[in-house]
Amino acid sequence: DTGVSQNPRHKITKRGQNVTFRCDPISEHNRLYWYRQTLGQGPEFLTYFQNEAQLEKSRLLSDRFSAERPKGSFSTLEIQRTEQGDSAMYLCASRAGAGDGYTFGSGTRLTVV
Amino acid sequence: AQSVTQLGSHVSVSEGALVLLRCNYSSSVPPYLFWYVQYPNQGLQLLLKYTTGATLVKGINGFEAEFKKSETSFHLTKPSAHMSDAAEYFCAVITNSGGSNYKLTFGKGTLLTVNP
Repeated sequence: DTGVSQNPRHKITKRGQNVTFRCDPISEHNRLYWYRQTLGQGPEFLTYFQNEAQLEKSRLLSDRFSAERPKGSFSTLEIQRTEQGDSAMYLCASRAGAGDGYTFGSGTRLTVV
Repeated sequence: AQSVTQLGSHVSVSEGALVLLRCNYSSSVPPYLFWYVQYPNQGLQLLLKYTTGATLVKGINGFEAEFKKSETSFHLTKPSAHMSDAAEYFCAVITNSGGSNYKLTFGKGTLLTVNP
């Protein structure tokens, strides 16, 4: 499988708990993105990595959110002290070059109860 | 700042009818434009893209889109709808916020329903 892989596919958590999602991009893609999609909306940019460096973070990414890409391969997105407003689909994407389309994973759907 | 407007949050067509999904963008620089499709509880799949060159772009599943600079539009069409086309469609533009981050900015999406 040469696509973008995200785990888990679904996560239900209680408010206040911490959650962590994983993304494995296409191996030759050095650029990795996280997006968040809420119901009825298009995906919104959260953060961007080039190799292991996190080069941009959206204002949507509050201090409860942290993302890492320690070896420039897979990435993790952690949400601390989850709130109901964090319920969304979290999408990971990777790409090779500037004019290339992104390849998206299937997403992790988070439900905070 | 770049933005994308998709006209019509919901479009309903009959099977075999023409599909037309509208997208307008604003961009201060020549845009890279994309259409993605999303099936329920799935990620986004690239349908087609425009970067440079020919303004009529053909994609997968019989879809095509035409870049019209004068109208700042990138409408998606398919001559004959199939039941399997029912999904949500997103138009997106790449924006360069500096450096190497060519960030995708999405419209709010158009839900396509295909009636038998």
